[in-house]
Amino acid sequence: RKEVEQDPGPFNVPEGATVAFNCTYSNSASQSFFWYRQDCRKEPKLLMSVYSSGNEDGRFTAQLNRASQYISLLIRDSKLSDSATYLCVVGYSGNTPLVFGKGTRLSVIA
Amino acid sequence: GAVVSQHPSRVICKSGTSVKIECRSLDFQATTMFWYRQFPKQSLMLMATSNEGSKATYEQGVEKDKFLINHASLTLSTLTVTSAHPEDSSFYICSARPALKGEKLFFGSGTQLSVL
Repeated sequence: RKEVEQDPGPFNVPEGATVAFNCTYSNSASQSFFWYRQDCRKEPKLLMSVYSSGNEDGRFTAQLNRASQYISLLIRDSKLSDSATYLCVVGYSGNTPLVFGKGTRLSVIA
Repeated sequence: GAVVSQHPSRVICKSGTSVKIECRSLDFQATTMFWYRQFPKQSLMLMATSNEGSKATYEQGVEKDKFLINHASLTLSTLTVTSAHPEDSSFYICSARPALKGEKLFFGSGTQLSVL
């Protein structure tokens, strides 16, 4: 079983739509959780950290369910510029490398 | 935010040559840097963890004699692809995690290597 699993998509949605991505992780020792965004042939960029209480940043809402080992990202009012690959990322204590999911591809269509 | 500079951004070389990629943390010290490789439409794959002043830790299946990593200072790590072959053509990305900024990881802009 992969350590971090995501639906690869693609998700093709019209502008203005709400879209949700899910991610599951297998290691209960995971301590930190993030969503990164990666554009084609570019480096990943941190979108937001994910906290147990849930957190929101503008049109983006992230939630963590530790009991189910499940992370979600909700994007409201999708923009064309939201088209990218969204990476679910899990971290551990110390200098252990972060573990990346394979990413979910989103295409927002006019 | 923290800045990681990676050079060169693009390299085209002949088969058999060696290519060096530099990764610098510009505004923080990074005792640990990570090197990833990404093939088209594939996920990021961790190649190795670069530790300042000591040997790098390589992931299973990554040849340490082919992908030489040097982390001689707290702000610079280099990856050298020795005797490059066409199958080494890929997008190589470095990253660093500032000790004072918690678990967040900051990435260099990547190097697109094309071996002819």
